[in-house]
Amino acid sequence: RKEVEQDPGPFNVPEGATVAFNCTYSNSASQSFFWYRQDCRKEPKLLMSVYSSGNEDGRFTAQLNRASQYISLLIRDSKLSDSATYLCVVNMGRTTGTASKLTFGTGTRLQVTL
Amino acid sequence: EPEVTQTPSHQVTQMGQEVILRCVPISNHLYFYWYRQILGQKVEFLVSFYNNEISEKSEIFDDQFSVERPDGSNFTLKIRSTKLEDSAMYFCASSDGPGASYNEQFFGPGTRLTVL
Repeated sequence: RKEVEQDPGPFNVPEGATVAFNCTYSNSASQSFFWYRQDCRKEPKLLMSVYSSGNEDGRFTAQLNRASQYISLLIRDSKLSDSATYLCVVNMGRTTGTASKLTFGTGTRLQVTL
Repeated sequence: EPEVTQTPSHQVTQMGQEVILRCVPISNHLYFYWYRQILGQKVEFLVSFYNNEISEKSEIFDDQFSVERPDGSNFTLKIRSTKLEDSAMYFCASSDGPGASYNEQFFGPGTRLTVL
């Protein structure tokens, strides 16, 4: 089983649509969870952290289910500028001391059209 | 807004040559990372660095790779003898805390390495 698994898409949606991305991770000891956004040939940029209680940032809502090892991202009222690849990212490291790695999914490509 | 910078943006080299990729992390950050992304594939972890030593390295980070923090600002990745399969985008990242505590890792714009 892949460490972090996502549907690669692409998801083609019209402007204004609601779209949901899902992700599963294999290591139950994972500590922290993120959604990053990556534009074509650019660096990954943090979109939002994902907490057990769920969290919302404007049009974006993220959920975490530790029991099912499942993470989701919901984008409401899609804009053209939301077109990008969305990366599900998990950190399995310790909380103090050493620098711990991020493990990335392959990403889900979103294309928002007029 | 502080940012991670990387030089060069694009490096072309011949197979077997040594390359050094340079990064300037955000100034108050203490944790440093290198990742790579082969075209069309996912971002892969190479190495993490804290307190002047490697914290963790992946299977990719073999004896051909090394990292160094030569002064208070730079963080470098050296590939001693490049192979065709080393062609990729190399991203440097830094954070002000260990990532497991939800400390954001900030990524640089990347160096595209092409090995001919």
